[in-house]
Amino acid sequence: GQQVQQSPSSLVLQEGENAELQCNFSSTATQLQWFYQSPGGSLVSLLSNPSGTKHTGRLTSTTVTKERRSSLHISSSQTTDSGTYLCAIDPGNTRKLIFGLGTTLQVQP
Amino acid sequence: EAAVTQSPRNKVTVTGGNVTLSCRQTNSHNYMYWYRQDTGHGLRLIHYSYGAGNLQIGDVPDGYKATRTTQEDFFLLLELASPSQTSLYFCASSDADRGKDTQYFGPGTRLLVL
Repeated sequence: GQQVQQSPSSLVLQEGENAELQCNFSSTATQLQWFYQSPGGSLVSLLSNPSGTKHTGRLTSTTVTKERRSSLHISSSQTTDSGTYLCAIDPGNTRKLIFGLGTTLQVQP
Repeated sequence: EAAVTQSPRNKVTVTGGNVTLSCRQTNSHNYMYWYRQDTGHGLRLIHYSYGAGNLQIGDVPDGYKATRTTQEDFFLLLELASPSQTSLYFCASSDADRGKDTQYFGPGTRLLVL
């Protein structure tokens, strides 16, 4: 089965609403990374957060390692936040990432 | 922010053709990676390398060769391209082994095999 599962698979919001994206993984994770993929396809690293809570701008990631889950909170969503959000883990210092299938976010004006 | 570039950005070839995808990173990262992205499968690792002359097998290596000629340059080779290799290909690099294993991605190459 899929080692990294993301939910929901898609999400539609009105501009200004908050988004909560979930990532669950079936093995330990020595690294966890959140990415944004634009509708055009480009991939950007948002946060590296293998444990605890990290903030950057309107983004907050909380990872509970022993429960094998991470969340990405987007506050005050904007239309430019639309795209796909990917979660990826390194399952044990392998230096390789295993990706989830992503959450596609659409923010409507 | 790490700089990773890929060329070409788009490529069309025919079944049986030879294709070389190029990747360059300019931040002296030790690790470099090649991924493919397909609907329903997400991003999957093809090959990776931890330095010039090194090659490690990824999760979906069949039909692909790769070569790391320098610290900066990593190439993906499709010697007999097949339609199943039509995909979006990404290169990435990271400074793993120095505690900085965030991966930085290039802009991607869209490959169409007719």
